[in-house]
This record gives sequence, C-alpha cells and structure tokens, in this order.
Amino acid sequence: GAVVSQHPSWVICKSGTSVKIECRSLDFQATTMFWYRQFPKQSLMLMATSNEGSKATYEQGVEKDKFLINHASLTLSTLTVTSAHPEDSSFYICSASRANQPQHFGDGTRLSIL
Amino acid sequence: AQTVTQSQPEMSVQEAETVTLSCTYDTSESDYYLFWYKQPPSRQMILVIRQEAYKQQNATENRFSVNFQKAAKSFSLKISDSQLGDAAMYFCAYRPGGGTYKYIFGTGTRLKVLA
Repeated sequence: GAVVSQHPSWVICKSGTSVKIECRSLDFQATTMFWYRQFPKQSLMLMATSNEGSKATYEQGVEKDKFLINHASLTLSTLTVTSAHPEDSSFYICSASRANQPQHFGDGTRLSIL
Repeated sequence: AQTVTQSQPEMSVQEAETVTLSCTYDTSESDYYLFWYKQPPSRQMILVIRQEAYKQQNATENRFSVNFQKAAKSFSLKISDSQLGDAAMYFCAYRPGGGTYKYIFGTGTRLKVLA
C-alpha cells in the first residue's frame, strides 16, 4: 500500500519555540494532504486541508497563524506550530490522498511542550 | 451536515470468534465512500476496508467484511476468526464523492480481544 512518512515521531521543546512537522508521500503524488490533531482516547480532529501550490483551508476554530501549513510539492507538506505552548501538546497526524483514493496516514507526531 | 455515529465505545471478543462493529451515518448525498480504519496502540492509522456507495456488493478483505445497508445508512464491520493483533481502536469514516476528499470520522470503538 501507499507509504506516508511523518517526521519527527516525537518532539519535546520549550514553551515559545516553533516546531515543524514534515509529511511526505513516498510512493505517490498527493494532490491533497490533511492535518489532524488527536487528543487521548478521542477521534481525529481535522485541522486543515492542504492542496499542492495553494493555501491551506483551515477548519473552524483552528488558528491559521498558530498552525502554519505549507504544501510546496506533490510529495511534501509541513505543519509548523508557532510559539508553541503547553496547550498545543498533542498527537498530530498527517494523511495524503489523490483523486478517489483513500487517505493514507503517517505514523503521527507526539508533541510535548514544556 | 453529514455525521457518523459509532454507538459502541468498547467491544470485547474471544480469540477466534466473530465480532461486529456498528457504524451509522447521515447524508443526503448519493455518491460517497465509507471506510474502516484501525488504530493500534502504536497509533498508526491503518486502512482496513473501503466501500463505494454505488456498489451493492459488500466489500471483503480476508477476515474483514462489511454489511453495507445504503437505505438504512448503516456500515458495520465484521471481523471473523479474531486475533490478538486485531485489538485496536476502529474508526468508521465517511467521505463525499466529490469535493475536497475530507473524511468525517466516528468517535471510534475500542476492540479488546481476549485470549
């Protein structure tokens, strides 16, 4: 099946720093990538939809200035959590999709802000 | 607006037995896709099975099969010959046929497999 690589898998950083998470589709060109946040024992919450070469579409309630998304190529999307604070600590998952294919997910990033 | 409901927060099944996880959805669309994803403790989201709404035949993937009832808007997952490795959170997801390919996820069902 399709492979989506997400990096880093775990990051711990100090409050106020910015953190970048990468999502790569390794064996197919993803026209659309998605970023999710997942709280413990809950479902995935869609944060934004990212199409290659255009601005991301954010879900209601998601701060676009806090969560910067870039989708520079058909195989790479990045999520930058700017000026991170403890309340941004969470599990972030990306997925990649094209045409009518299912979304394929990365392994997720556990973000801990001290 | 479309919604997906998984009414069973937790289910248990004895190893080698069969279990069915329920999922219902609400939509006014006629063209859409339905999926079951598995999330083991590693938290990776793994596609288990997919169903296109226009297909009447229920999808099957080895020990996994679905009972797709379009009129009732029901999409249950049957796991046969349950194995310890099947223990995970299972999420049902709906995606409209066109547009942004966004998923709407259910709240999930935690499946425990008893040895």
